[in-house]
Amino acid sequence: NFILTQPLSVSESPGKTVNISCTRTNGSIDTKYVQWYQQRPGNSPTTVIFQDYRRPSGVPDRFSVAIDGSSNSAFLIISGLEAEDEADYYCQSFDTDTQVFGGGTKLTVL
Amino acid sequence: QVELVQSGTEVKKIGASVKVSCRASGYDFIDYYIHWVRQAPGQGLEWIGRIHPDSGVTQYSPRFRGRVTMSRDLSVTTAFLEMTSLRSDDTAVFFCARWGERLLPPYETSSSQFDFWGQGTLVTVSS
Repeated sequence: NFILTQPLSVSESPGKTVNISCTRTNGSIDTKYVQWYQQRPGNSPTTVIFQDYRRPSGVPDRFSVAIDGSSNSAFLIISGLEAEDEADYYCQSFDTDTQVFGGGTKLTVL
Repeated sequence: QVELVQSGTEVKKIGASVKVSCRASGYDFIDYYIHWVRQAPGQGLEWIGRIHPDSGVTQYSPRFRGRVTMSRDLSVTTAFLEMTSLRSDDTAVFFCARWGERLLPPYETSSSQFDFWGQGTLVTVSS
């Protein structure tokens, strides 16, 4: 099986850009699709990125992804930070019969 | 529109069992896997397992195998999660979620993601 590791927290000022990493242990990050979910307190998660790079309708193009094979990591990039981006973010991927979530990253918009 | 509506808050004693339901509507129930995910207070998302609604075949995370049972009732398009031998550290919000890859054609609308989630069911386990 594999693990997805995320930083516990990141913070940045409004208007700036933040990167949230998701590093896969055991297996290549590009073996299976990586998804990213946003979760605000008291709410269910919602998708911000699916199938590595795709954005659901309604998610602004301020959200994007970079995948780096050398570090075996995916990075959620949020540019032009807004107060409403403050939330927990989870990466997620899967293997044949297993789904795995990263531990989650709390984004604080200062 | 697609909806997953879960049953309400549960309070259980240590050692008891709990059964949470997830009623699906707005799509053909047998077309998509239903998964269950747990979130302990202040913690992250943890995958519990999934059920193939048509066949009833299940896969469970090794961490929960032997203590959870997933089932479904096609007549009411509802999936169920039962957890036994509850401990205090099982206190959590349990979510059901639809995995967006279609099991039947047409596959053009498939997407690899948890595209719809239930509202969550809080299960509190105490002595």
